[in-house]
Amino acid sequence: QQQVKQSPQSLIVQKGGISIINCAYENTAFDYFPWYQQFPGKGPALLIAIRPDVSEKKEGRFTISFNKSAKQFSLHIMDSQPGDSATYFCAGDQRGSARQLTFGSGTQLTVLP
Amino acid sequence: GAGVSQSPSNKVTEKGKDVELRCDPISGHTALYWYRQSLGQGLEFLIYFQGNSAPDKSGLPSDRFSAERTGGSVSTLTIQRTQQEDSAVYLCASSLGLNTEAFFGQGTRLTVV
Repeated sequence: QQQVKQSPQSLIVQKGGISIINCAYENTAFDYFPWYQQFPGKGPALLIAIRPDVSEKKEGRFTISFNKSAKQFSLHIMDSQPGDSATYFCAGDQRGSARQLTFGSGTQLTVLP
Repeated sequence: GAGVSQSPSNKVTEKGKDVELRCDPISGHTALYWYRQSLGQGLEFLIYFQGNSAPDKSGLPSDRFSAERTGGSVSTLTIQRTQQEDSAVYLCASSLGLNTEAFFGQGTRLTVV
């Protein structure tokens, strides 16, 4: 199973600041890159996702930047809020085949009030 | 149901005992996945069911782990002769099929003492 490397492991940001989480993947067959948000005691929930044919996707305060040549993608949270405090996982997926979301190790984000 | 339901929410078992974890997927979802989340780690793929196809068992860590899915709906993950390293949160997810979003349950926290 190909790895997805995620950094940083933890991140502390002031309210209103920008949170940036980075991921790098190895499997060039991945064709779908979702980000999941997980609150304590809950399962991960899909936050935003991107396909490799676009370089950026924005949904509200959340933006994914994708660099296909570098095999890297990142999540930017603008105007970070205390309610954004959670663990964030990036993942790579190879759709159209036996599904096996490959997850990064997670980033614990804390947004200070 | 409204979402993926897992039971029990928490399970404490003695080393060497067998445990069964249950997952009720969203009605109509043909794909079902099991993942394991160890403390501070990402999500580790265990097994994947898609319709009537043979399951992808490539992520099961040892022959003590097995899973079945009856009638294309409910799934049970069985861990035999539990070990302390089996302690983790076991997450189940389901999706309509290939190329669709995976929805996660809240997980079962297994503690082997």
